[in-house]
Amino acid sequence: GAGVSQSPSNKVTEKGKDVELRCDPISGHTALYWYRQRLGQGLEFLIYFQGNSAPDKSGLPSDRFSAERTGESVSTLTIQRTQQEDSAVYLCASSGSGRSPLHFGNGTRLTVT
Amino acid sequence: QKEVEQDPGPLSVPEGAIVSLNCTYSNSAFQYFMWYRQYSRKGPELLMYTYSSGNKEDGRFTAQVDKSSKYISLFIRDSQPSDSATYLCAMSARSNAGNMLTFGGGTRLMVKP
Repeated sequence: GAGVSQSPSNKVTEKGKDVELRCDPISGHTALYWYRQRLGQGLEFLIYFQGNSAPDKSGLPSDRFSAERTGESVSTLTIQRTQQEDSAVYLCASSGSGRSPLHFGNGTRLTVT
Repeated sequence: QKEVEQDPGPLSVPEGAIVSLNCTYSNSAFQYFMWYRQYSRKGPELLMYTYSSGNKEDGRFTAQVDKSSKYISLFIRDSQPSDSATYLCAMSARSNAGNMLTFGGGTRLMVKP
């Protein structure tokens, strides 16, 4: 079956531009997470969606970052006025209910020049 | 100090060796422990998922959790070149929303033929 799909796989943008990253979770998964992974580092939590509940935005590093999710389907992560320190791999994961394990996509590699 | 510490490596071993990967953590509320494997330019892939203290074995992989020492380990028997990857430990607390994970920084493993 299909796993978590992310697009684009690579994105190069100029400093100051806005970017939108897309995540298609596994069908039927109610929970969706965004993480950021800087070069050679572990994963840093950004935001969590569970069904139709209000998202947990506690990991977003600044108000330039926002995310949306329509029901239990696609999510988009938007970074406004990108900065060079935003360069990283942005990973999306989805899971079923409760303590089900997270399944990750292959990420979007963002480079801000 | 990070909540989850992991030696970044790289750890280089000959094919067939037993590999030991470890993480220490500071938050005594962590109860769910995971190991993920991440190949270059891919998303993390779940290897092992354990709850509370004890051992869990799956094929060549054994996960150990020692909550009293706040220490978890992953052992790989009969290591293969295909095991060469970055190994990430991750953990969550019962109080965490959903299954929000805190990750270690990852250990890069190289298995030489």
